[in-house]
Amino acid sequence: GQNIDQPTEMTATEGAIVQINCTYQTSGFNGLFWYQQHAGEAPTFLSYNVLDGLEEKGRFSSFLSRSKGYSYLLLKELQMKDSASYLCAVKDSNYQLIWGAGTKLIIKP
Amino acid sequence: DAMVIQNPRYQVTQFGKPVTLSCSQTLNHNVMYWYQQKSSQAPKLLFHYYDKDFNNEADTPDNFQSRRPNTSFCFLDIRSPGLGDAAMYLCATSRVEGIGSETQYFGPGTRLLVL
Repeated sequence: GQNIDQPTEMTATEGAIVQINCTYQTSGFNGLFWYQQHAGEAPTFLSYNVLDGLEEKGRFSSFLSRSKGYSYLLLKELQMKDSASYLCAVKDSNYQLIWGAGTKLIIKP
Repeated sequence: DAMVIQNPRYQVTQFGKPVTLSCSQTLNHNVMYWYQQKSSQAPKLLFHYYDKDFNNEADTPDNFQSRRPNTSFCFLDIRSPGLGDAAMYLCATSRVEGIGSETQYFGPGTRLLVL
């Protein structure tokens, strides 16, 4: 079966750095997405990785290792507005998006 | 601003009473998706349209139907809602299918409550 694993919940302090991990087992791979979802709102696109390595976009960076079936989202200089769920999703060989359940990130002052 | 719009944002219905959720988009995207998302769970794809070509997921109950009368609009019909159908329903669009980098854009969702 296809599977995406992420921690259920993480807590971090305002101004700090946090790394949210995602491991996947899918039939084929056509890229990995990270989405941010605030409570009661729609997911919004953060990043896309298809090649190994780190992609940096402002305070957010996303890393991919295809051989390990592993990605992480790195958030720097955390702000209270970063409190949200972060969903990892992988496109399989049929270009279907396989979603993780998301990691709820709680930011404390 | 180009966007995906869902109405209503909150819908209350009675057990067994048919309900329709609507989605419209100004992005002129070819593909429209309907997802069901329950609290702290992954979004679950119900079905999607590529233009007028309808694609039903194998495990989507028959209770859920969809219509796409034109490029801009898509509807989700729940024929006989049960208590287990209470969830957030998300509509999303993408320009095309079959491209790895193609991003899905989501509407704000409709939260359905079944009494």
